Amino acid sequence: SQQGEEDPQALSIQEGENATMNCSYKTSINNLQWYRQNSGRGLVHLILIRSNEREKHSGRLRVTLDTSKKSSSLLITASRAADTASYFCAPQGGKLIFGQGTELSVKP
Amino acid sequence: GAVVSQHPSWVICKSGTSVKIECRSLDFQATTMFWYRQFPKQSLMLMATSNEGSKATYEQGVEKDKFLINHASLTLSTLTVTSAHPEDSSFYICSARGLAGVNNEQFFGPGTRLTVL
Repeated sequence: SQQGEEDPQALSIQEGENATMNCSYKTSINNLQWYRQNSGRGLVHLILIRSNEREKHSGRLRVTLDTSKKSSSLLITASRAADTASYFCAPQGGKLIFGQGTELSVKP
Repeated sequence: GAVVSQHPSWVICKSGTSVKIECRSLDFQATTMFWYRQFPKQSLMLMATSNEGSKATYEQGVEKDKFLINHASLTLSTLTVTSAHPEDSSFYICSARGLAGVNNEQFFGPGTRLTVL
């Protein structure tokens, strides 16, 4: 098991701007997942990228994975106020263990 | 995608009572289920891992006699908080993983908010 570490811890942007969050981890993985959590709610699965993939898109989301650097990034394009939430990465080699997350605030 | 449900979604109880939370995988068989706890403004902390038909494995610092986990079937795991106290008030989230091999995904329930008075 291993923990993902998100960076930055907090990010505040204006609606329409892009938001980039980064994740680093320590050991080899099978896949890496990104989740969103709205305040007081459960986790929403956003996207899974497998270890043999380098980039994946889903709507306004773009995820990259660099296994040589043991890092991943999540890009949200054309952000909306509804994207305001905490975002967690979860590298998976066994158990999923979460880091502190990135708290994204999108101001209208 | 696979769906995991939790029941109840919220519960308020008196100190000293026990509370049972159910986690169900609705459209797949979950060989492994995980229980997490989240305090306000903090990340999810893994409490324990349970495999169907065997005893749960608890993370360091989690009292197994206080947090009883039963994974009696491939679609149901339960977490019982025994003799609950106000410090047990938290958001409890389960997740389930199926039989799809090493790259299998883990799906999360919506969480249960426990408030102990």
